[in-house]
Amino acid sequence: NAGVMQNPRHLVRRRGQEARLRCSPMKGHSHVYWYRQLPEEGLKFMVYLQKENIIDESGMPKERFSAEFPKEGPSILRIQQVVRGDSAAYFCASTQTDRSYEQYFGPGTRLTVT
Amino acid sequence: EDQVTQSPEALRLQEGESSSLNCSYTVSGLRGLFWYRQDPGKGPEFLFTLYSAGEEKEKERLKATLTKKESFLHITAPKPEDSATYLCAVQATGANSKLTFGKGITLSVRP
Repeated sequence: NAGVMQNPRHLVRRRGQEARLRCSPMKGHSHVYWYRQLPEEGLKFMVYLQKENIIDESGMPKERFSAEFPKEGPSILRIQQVVRGDSAAYFCASTQTDRSYEQYFGPGTRLTVT
Repeated sequence: EDQVTQSPEALRLQEGESSSLNCSYTVSGLRGLFWYRQDPGKGPEFLFTLYSAGEEKEKERLKATLTKKESFLHITAPKPEDSATYLCAVQATGANSKLTFGKGITLSVRP
């Protein structure tokens, strides 16, 4: 019974390149949340998606960041024109429904911008 | 705005030395308070959900309690394998299910 899967686990990008982070929720889960963890800071909410819908993107930076969760395939967090300040660990979590309480997290993608 | 403050930032214990980790919170309406454990280089691992003041939950050497303003994670007779960062998060009532996290408490247990 696979948990939440994220890939790649580590990603190195040069400034100005694009980063694509993928998240496959637990089996049977159709709700995905993305969080960012900066060094010395707590996890910060970015975006909440259901299949084919963005429910809440209040935590997403206004520029360069986008997220999607298509009908088929994983959820994608896309960062365009990365800057050094984007270096962080990005985690996704999933739940079965919008009424579910517990969010189950993946292992994260560690993005390093050089 | 929902806020979560955890204290102390770091805690060093001797094996067998019981202690408590504190999580203070302010939230418009509490839907749930969550404790997670995070090991270095890994994602948060779910431990407990507490829903209302007075509630308690236990798992092995861990016990979580909740009041209207704070939650405690009590660790009884800790072992070195309990060393990790413990995260507290709140979820507010309403349509959005996002979690608001504290910065975490790094626990080190010496053998």
